[in-house]
Amino acid sequence: AQSVAQPEDQVNVAEGNPLTVKCTYSVSGNPYLFWYVQYPNRGLQFLLKYITGDNLVKGSYGFEAEFNKSQTSFHLKKPSALVSDSALYFCAVSPRYSGAGSYQLTFGKGTKLSVIP
Amino acid sequence: DARVTQTPRHKVTEMGQEVTMRCQPILGHNTVFWYRQTMMQGLELLAYFRNRAPLDDSGMPKDRFSAEMPDATLATLKIQPSEPRDSAVYFCASGPKLGLAGTDTQYFGPGTRLTVL
Repeated sequence: AQSVAQPEDQVNVAEGNPLTVKCTYSVSGNPYLFWYVQYPNRGLQFLLKYITGDNLVKGSYGFEAEFNKSQTSFHLKKPSALVSDSALYFCAVSPRYSGAGSYQLTFGKGTKLSVIP
Repeated sequence: DARVTQTPRHKVTEMGQEVTMRCQPILGHNTVFWYRQTMMQGLELLAYFRNRAPLDDSGMPKDRFSAEMPDATLATLKIQPSEPRDSAVYFCASGPKLGLAGTDTQYFGPGTRLTVL
């Protein structure tokens, strides 16, 4: 069974500083990896995904994530945090299936990011 | 700006009552997902449809939950009878099938906050 771990329930960072939100995964074979963000009382919004190719993936709002196969990690990063980045961040993993059929996207528990002015 | 819509946004009901939640996926999307979000369990996949056919509902308690897509513009999630432990935020998400299974970006609705007394 696949799983995602977000080891930090909360991350606090000062505005303007770099931020990192950690994610590790467990899945059979090679994964598809995703980051979503949830603002208060809203649904999740897609940030970025890793499918194949370059290990560094760039996404929305200046976020990027690096796929590290040896460490089974997909940490989310941003060079300079904004107060408006404060939200709940979810990492998700899906295994690669060949052919048609169902699949399951498994989400982590989420990490609350607070950017302090 | 195409969005997934969900109704109602909030629902308070008493134990034993039937609850129906509705979702209108983004026009042209052919995959629909139902998720449940709680503080304790995080985000759980309940059911998944492709081209209106249910592909995976293994995450859904079968005795009281049912999910259907009567047409391409409407997905429903019913709970009968409802119980206090069903209190959660229920999200619908839709996605376009553009590539391999598991690579689709999901677009989330705003959610239905259900409280069962």
